[in-house]
Amino acid sequence: QQKVQQSPESLIVPEGGMASLNCTSSDRNVDYFWWYRQHSGKSPKMLMSIFSNGEKEEGRFTVHLNKASLHTSLHIRDSQPSDSALYLCAAAIYGSSGNKLIFGIGTLLSVKP
Amino acid sequence: GPKVLQIPSHQIIDMGQMVTLNCDPVSNHLYFYWYKQILGQQMEFLVNFYNGKVMEKSKLFKDQFSVERPDGSYFTLKIQPTALEDSAVYFCASSSTISGNTLYFGEGSRLIVV
Repeated sequence: QQKVQQSPESLIVPEGGMASLNCTSSDRNVDYFWWYRQHSGKSPKMLMSIFSNGEKEEGRFTVHLNKASLHTSLHIRDSQPSDSALYLCAAAIYGSSGNKLIFGIGTLLSVKP
Repeated sequence: GPKVLQIPSHQIIDMGQMVTLNCDPVSNHLYFYWYKQILGQQMEFLVNFYNGKVMEKSKLFKDQFSVERPDGSYFTLKIQPTALEDSAVYFCASSSTISGNTLYFGEGSRLIVV
């Protein structure tokens, strides 16, 4: 079973619409959640991170975290065609063997003009 | 922003040959990572490295894989010998500290084993 599960697998939203992406971890040792964006053929670029319960907003992007359920969500308002990409959720687990990110399979977002 | 450089960007290699993928991490970063991404599939953790040592490796980090960073030069991933299933994009990443800090990824090295 995947340790980090993302839904939906793919999402189409109209330009100007709201995109909502979900992510849940099955590992209770998670310290942080990270959201990365990966455009086709490119490297993942960090969007936002969250480690405490509640909400964090940066521009058009808002991240929620419920630590009890280990569920995080990313919301993109006023979506733009340039937001079309693969959105990766990653759970960060810190331990004596170092830091590693465990990625979900991603949500492929398409924003249609 | 901070840049991680990877060389080569693409390589085609015959099965059984050796390949070395090079990574120039962000200056002053101390933690280094390799991830593997097969086209259309998940980004998977291979290994992390700190202070000259492997800290943790996954089941994907086969015996044919090795990493090193001699004398602060490139952080390398060597595969010897290569197999067809090693075809993937290999991403290098680095971070400044162990906790709560962003991993910065390079643009990837696309390896095709034929």
